[in-house]
Amino acid sequence: DIQMTQSPSSLSASVGDRVTLTCRASQSINNFLNWYQQKPGTAPKLLIYAASSLQSGVPSRFSGSGSGTHFTLTVSSLQPEDFATYYCQQSYSTPPTFGQGTRVEIK
Amino acid sequence: QQQLQESGPGLVEPSETLSLTCTVSGGSVTSYSHYWAWIRQPPGKGLEWIGSIYYGGSTYSDPSLKSRVIISVDASKNQFSLKLNSVTAADTAVYYCARHPYRSDWGWFDPWGQGTLVTVSS
Repeated sequence: DIQMTQSPSSLSASVGDRVTLTCRASQSINNFLNWYQQKPGTAPKLLIYAASSLQSGVPSRFSGSGSGTHFTLTVSSLQPEDFATYYCQQSYSTPPTFGQGTRVEIK
Repeated sequence: QQQLQESGPGLVEPSETLSLTCTVSGGSVTSYSHYWAWIRQPPGKGLEWIGSIYYGGSTYSDPSLKSRVIISVDASKNQFSLKLNSVTAADTAVYYCARHPYRSDWGWFDPWGQGTLVTVSS
């Protein structure tokens, strides 16, 4: 299985901050990388697919980049509704696997 | 807009079979453009793909669960289902159903159902 490692596991930030989350794959996955946001008690929500494509309806302050084994999700200006846990997921090989998540908390 | 909704017992006894159904609205499980997936999340932990089914006739599941998992489609009810047998406390989780595109890779999961908590306990 391809292991997905996210860093940091948690971070504290303020409204308006620019934050960058990292996801690393244990082997190259080209650009087959997706990002999700999950708030407590709710299902994950797709933010970014294929490493850098913004899902319809997702605010443009979210952006993704990377290829191979190193990927980032950036929130350009953190809003109150962005405090949540973020997961990356590789779709390159079977089984599709998720990172352990990065929790973004209010400072 | 397509919506998915899980249903099934919230409590299952150890060694028994967990059975869940996902009802699809606003679209069809017979779509040749999508897979239909089950994903779970143990309390306080991360996400784990269980398996997927393609109406065209293929099913796939995580190798660690493969011997215990059956995923099927009921086109007449526009539903797909999960059966996980010989459950233990380790199978306690929120179970989600989701859709993903039919592609050369596994694609992205969207949309998701709201999730249903299944507890394995006597």
